[in-house]
Amino acid sequence: AQSVTQPDIHITVSEGASLELRCNYSYGATPYLFWYVQSPGQGLQLLLKYFSGDTLVQGIKGFEAEFKRSQSSFHLRKPSVHWSDAAEYFCALNTGNQFYFGTGTSLTVIP
Amino acid sequence: GAVVSQHPSRVICKSGTSVKIECRSLDFQATTMFWYRQFPKKSLMLMATSNEGSKATYEQGVEKDKFLINHASLTLSTLTVTSAHPEDSSFYICSARDQGAHNSPLHFGNGTRLTVT
Repeated sequence: AQSVTQPDIHITVSEGASLELRCNYSYGATPYLFWYVQSPGQGLQLLLKYFSGDTLVQGIKGFEAEFKRSQSSFHLRKPSVHWSDAAEYFCALNTGNQFYFGTGTSLTVIP
Repeated sequence: GAVVSQHPSRVICKSGTSVKIECRSLDFQATTMFWYRQFPKKSLMLMATSNEGSKATYEQGVEKDKFLINHASLTLSTLTVTSAHPEDSSFYICSARDQGAHNSPLHFGNGTRLTVT
């Protein structure tokens, strides 16, 4: 069955530090993968997406993610976190008409 | 970029009344829109898939008579919470895909905070 797992419910990092948010998926075919960010009281904004080709994808706000088929992973990274990056992050898998979301990772940024 | 507009952003209603939430795709057409419910500190729960010109598809456990969905055009879907009760208080988010774009991601509205008193 298709699923998305975000093993970290909450992560705290210092401003300026690097960040990695983990995402693993379960799907038998080629996955279409996405990362979204949600600020409090807001909808979800697309950060980046992977369909095919280069496994390292660049997104907005300085984020990137790397698709690793052998590990069924699509981890999100940022080399230097800003205080404004504090938000909820969701990984999503598209299998055609269906979207599957992870449970989200809440990011806190400390000065 | 593709924009989804959701209105209202916040609504407070009395128990027993009905509330309508609108979801519009502003610069693309969407034969399918999705309605989610999000509880505090929780992920998105898909409630139903709204299909233009036909009946919505509801997820298991979602009362179709309680949450009425209408998708009358390629750019508008509405969710009506009928006879609202305090337990219906939640954050509702709609999303849509650009049917004209290959492998389009979901584009989300900004959500509606419903409070039933």
